[in-house]
Amino acid sequence: GENVEQHPSTLSVQEGDSAVIKCTYSDSASNYFPWYKQELGKRPQLIIDIRSNVGEKKDQRIAVTLNKTAKHFSLHITETQPEDSAVYFCAASTQWNAGNMLTFGGGTRLMVKP
Amino acid sequence: NAGVTQTPKFQVLKTGQSMTLQCAQDMNHEYMSWYRQDPGMGLRLIHYSVGAGITDQGEVPNGYNVSRSTTEDFPLRLLSAAPSQTSVYFCASSYTGGSGYTFGSGTRLTVV
Repeated sequence: GENVEQHPSTLSVQEGDSAVIKCTYSDSASNYFPWYKQELGKRPQLIIDIRSNVGEKKDQRIAVTLNKTAKHFSLHITETQPEDSAVYFCAASTQWNAGNMLTFGGGTRLMVKP
Repeated sequence: NAGVTQTPKFQVLKTGQSMTLQCAQDMNHEYMSWYRQDPGMGLRLIHYSVGAGITDQGEVPNGYNVSRSTTEDFPLRLLSAAPSQTSVYFCASSYTGGSGYTFGSGTRLTVV
């Protein structure tokens, strides 16, 4: 089955700096890649997603890039703010045309220092 | 539109007890799934369903049962609770065909 690896597991940045989180996936058939943000004690919430027919997608301060050849995708957060502090999960979707099963990465704890 | 509703929010069980975690969605999503999240770890898939009457196992299905008699409801049953099942459980739903999940607020389960 699909395997998603996420790095780094923890990331500490200064407010205003950029943060980059990287994920690799194993199944070349995967074609949907969402990112989730989970604040402490809360549910994961979708922040951005990308499909395999697109190389990059941006939404205000966050962007996601996808390299299908290398089977990796990344989340970029610019001008980080303290409220960006959370755990971020990447995921890859397999069997999407027969369902929507997501395989999640292990998560990255992002800490933004004021 | 309530989204995905999970009950209860907290539960303490004794080893060997059984219980059902409830999950309901009002978005007419075909796909529903259950994940568990252990401290410092990611989300691991327990069971999923692509529609009413259809369920399948995920990565960690042992000790859990599910059923999907309606589009809206997807309960998770713990057959005989064990301390290893202490975790936070999330239900999630989505449309099929590659789309983002909507998660419930979670159930924090402790087995003593």
